[in-house]
Amino acid sequence: DTGVSQNPRHKITKRGQNVTFRCDPISEHNRLYWYRQTLGQGPEFLTYFQNEAQLEKSRLLSDRFSAERPKGSFSTLEIQRTEQGDSAMYLCASSLEALRTEAFFGQGTRLTVV
Amino acid sequence: AQRVTQPEKLLSVFKGAPVELKCNYSYSGSPELFWYVQYSRQRLQLLLRHISRESIKGFTADLNKGETSFHLKKPFAQEEDSAMYYCALKEYGNKLVFGAGTILRVKS
Repeated sequence: DTGVSQNPRHKITKRGQNVTFRCDPISEHNRLYWYRQTLGQGPEFLTYFQNEAQLEKSRLLSDRFSAERPKGSFSTLEIQRTEQGDSAMYLCASSLEALRTEAFFGQGTRLTVV
Repeated sequence: AQRVTQPEKLLSVFKGAPVELKCNYSYSGSPELFWYVQYSRQRLQLLLRHISRESIKGFTADLNKGETSFHLKKPFAQEEDSAMYYCALKEYGNKLVFGAGTILRVKS
């Protein structure tokens, strides 16, 4: 599968622990997006990168969340001091910076905070 | 704020019946709209976009700026169309604003 890859696929953690997710985009894509999806809702935008620069962060992204894309390739999303409300599916997508290009999504990382 | 509304959580139809999945949006500029689909145990994928004005898997969607709608239609539903469908609006920076989604269930 040469699409967007996310690891791990599932993560169960205790409240208060830190977690980190990884996203490997399609190799030639310079834009990378993180979304969060809770039960019964569509994906909600969290942040996006163009190459290694983080260009926008949603107000949904509290101080406990941090995302990086150090070399403009893969990205990590870290959540510190997890809370039960962080339980969700975290989706990564990538695209080219060009008009009329589509975003390709990964299969997501499902986080459960107990 | 930009919003996308999909009023139906679930739409259940019989095989061969017409399908219409509703989507309404609010956007201050010139909107670019999409339909994404998620089949069981698969990732979210693009179904179609309004600027292409194409038919994919028999589905079409017309942007109606007067009614701020982008409904997804198919004249004859097939069982393999059963999936979750999301309407989405593209914002600045190519990020997407999604509706809550509609489950389409096609019964035999």
